[in-house]
Amino acid sequence: GNSVTQMEGPVTLSEEAFLTINCTYTATGYPSLFWYVQYPGEGLQLLLKATKADDKGSNKGFEATYRKETTSFHLEKGSVQVSDSAVYFCALSYQGGSEKLVFGKGTKLTVNP
Amino acid sequence: DTAVSQTPKYLVTQMGNDKSIKCEQNLGHDTMYWYKQDSKKFLKIMFSYNNKELIINETVPNRFSPKSPDKAHLNLHINSLELGDSAVYFCASSRGTPTYEQYFGPGTRLTVT
Repeated sequence: GNSVTQMEGPVTLSEEAFLTINCTYTATGYPSLFWYVQYPGEGLQLLLKATKADDKGSNKGFEATYRKETTSFHLEKGSVQVSDSAVYFCALSYQGGSEKLVFGKGTKLTVNP
Repeated sequence: DTAVSQTPKYLVTQMGNDKSIKCEQNLGHDTMYWYKQDSKKFLKIMFSYNNKELIINETVPNRFSPKSPDKAHLNLHINSLELGDSAVYFCASSRGTPTYEQYFGPGTRLTVT
């Protein structure tokens, strides 16, 4: 079936460190891929997305590239800030009867000053 | 203006009770969703409505009944609450299919004692 696997957390970094959160997917056809972020005590919000192979999504210094050959959509940021501390969810959408989002299990990021 | 709102934010109740969570969106979206987030942050879709019509009904106990009186509202009623129902419930909406950004409410933390 369709699924998303992302790296286990938690991830703890110092401010200005480089961030990578790995995400791989299993899907039939050509899904759209997303990263959502959940700040403490809040709902999820879309961070970036890519709808076809080789697309790069970017927002707030975060980037992810849709790699069909490796079925991956890794999230990267060159220099994290304390305010980036949150839980990050990789997700895909597919047309399976009714289109819906399938989420990974989330990766908690803590950035220390 | 709040885009997706939910009430209540916190709900503490005893086993066997019946409770409702309300959701409203003022974004003019056609599609609304209910998600359940467990204590490990795993997020799973429960229901989806498009123009008041149920389009996704995941494997959820029939004690859970969604109701959409109009496009802007999607309520969740839960009968005979059980300990395992304790979770954070998120409402979300999107313009159409999940390929478009989903906007999440702040969540309702349900605790069943």
